[in-house]
Amino acid sequence: EVQLVESGGGLVQPGGSLRLSCAASGFTFSSYAMYWVRQAPGKGLEWVSLISGTSGGTTYYADSVKGRFTISRDDSKNTLFLQMNSLRADDTAVYYCAKRGGSYSYYFDYWGQGTLVTVSS
Amino acid sequence: QSALTQPASVSGSPGQSITISCTGNSSDIGGNSYVSWYQQHPGKAPKLMIYHVTNRPSGVSNRFSGSKSGNTASLTISGLQAEDEADYYCSSYTSRSTLFVFGTGTKVTVL
Repeated sequence: EVQLVESGGGLVQPGGSLRLSCAASGFTFSSYAMYWVRQAPGKGLEWVSLISGTSGGTTYYADSVKGRFTISRDDSKNTLFLQMNSLRADDTAVYYCAKRGGSYSYYFDYWGQGTLVTVSS
Repeated sequence: QSALTQPASVSGSPGQSITISCTGNSSDIGGNSYVSWYQQHPGKAPKLMIYHVTNRPSGVSNRFSGSKSGNTASLTISGLQAEDEADYYCSSYTSRSTLFVFGTGTKVTVL
């Protein structure tokens, strides 16, 4: 059974940093690209970032986080990360990690339960 | 990056069929076959319901079906059930710098 468990969320001041983690199990983690998707309170979903499988040589970011967030992975620990710097109030959201469906697929087939990030002074 | 446009709410009685539309443009929905749909119950994570326009993952009821025409994709729920009451989001791969765009979301109410 595929499981994705996020952690690392919390309250942070504007301009601060936070590192999110996503522990994966139930599939060959290294073989799959992974995503981060966020959802502001009471709002819709927003794609944040993608990292390719097999050591994560390729990364992509939404324009809204480019230059501030960094996605990475540790395939030896089956863990996905999101380093978030220069945080702003509009980064407040539940952050979900999600798994890519497979090669040449463009959808999110499994999601974690999410971790809440609140940016406020 | 503009979100895809969905109706804010759709409702129906048990047993009826409803359709949720999702409108984009030639850079997203109209330019590929990579539309997916997600169901989200309050306080829960999204769940994949349809991928690549028409495909249903294993375990998803065949009451859910997807289609696309031009720049608009649609999700149809037939034989509406109380458990279908949730928020639904469409998503599309895009040819722009932001790889994926989501819809604005539709709240489905079972009367």
